Amino acid sequence: GIQVEQSPPDLILQEGANSTLRCNFSDSVNNLQWFHQNPWGQLINLFYIPSGTKQNGRLSATTVATERYSLLYISSSQTTDSGVYFCAVGENFGNEKLTFGTGTRLTIIP
Amino acid sequence: GAGVSQSPSNKVTEKGKDVELRCDPISGHTALYWYRQSLGQGLEFLIYFQGNSAPDKSGLPSDRFSAERTGGSVSTLTIQRTQQEDSAVYLCASTLLGQGADTQYFGPGTRLTVL
Repeated sequence: GIQVEQSPPDLILQEGANSTLRCNFSDSVNNLQWFHQNPWGQLINLFYIPSGTKQNGRLSATTVATERYSLLYISSSQTTDSGVYFCAVGENFGNEKLTFGTGTRLTIIP
Repeated sequence: GAGVSQSPSNKVTEKGKDVELRCDPISGHTALYWYRQSLGQGLEFLIYFQGNSAPDKSGLPSDRFSAERTGGSVSTLTIQRTQQEDSAVYLCASTLLGQGADTQYFGPGTRLTVL
């Protein structure tokens, strides 16, 4: 099956800093989502982005499908941004499941 | 409803007992998914429903696990004769169309602890 790798595994930053999280995948995808898992375990949708670029406030994401990677940018980090960020992909049309990466744990220090 | 809901939020059971976990998807969503998150295995797919049918059960770890969906809405995941390795957070998600290229929305999960 498809492999999903996320980097870095851990990231510790001062409040106000910017960060870039990366997701590499091993095959073509028809679905790619970024999630933030908060300290209570809830998976919060950030972006549905199988290709292209999207922005939502301080967050933006870019997926280059032909090169099989996606990037999540967080600008002006806040302590509430702390948590684990997951990238998840769906392989083919008709294959419904999402395959998750192992996540990036982000800690923002005040 | 406003979002995907799951119950119970926490379940503690003894090894060998059966448990039922419930998922209420977003109203109108046709597709429903079960995943689980454990320390050793990360987030992994269990089963997918389109309407009341389950075209993909490939992630169910053993025949002790089963799931059903009724009325194209509520789903129940049943684990028989629970084992300690079943301890995990069980997550449910739903999508509007279930055509693969569709945003999956997740519930808060059920934390299962098998003693």
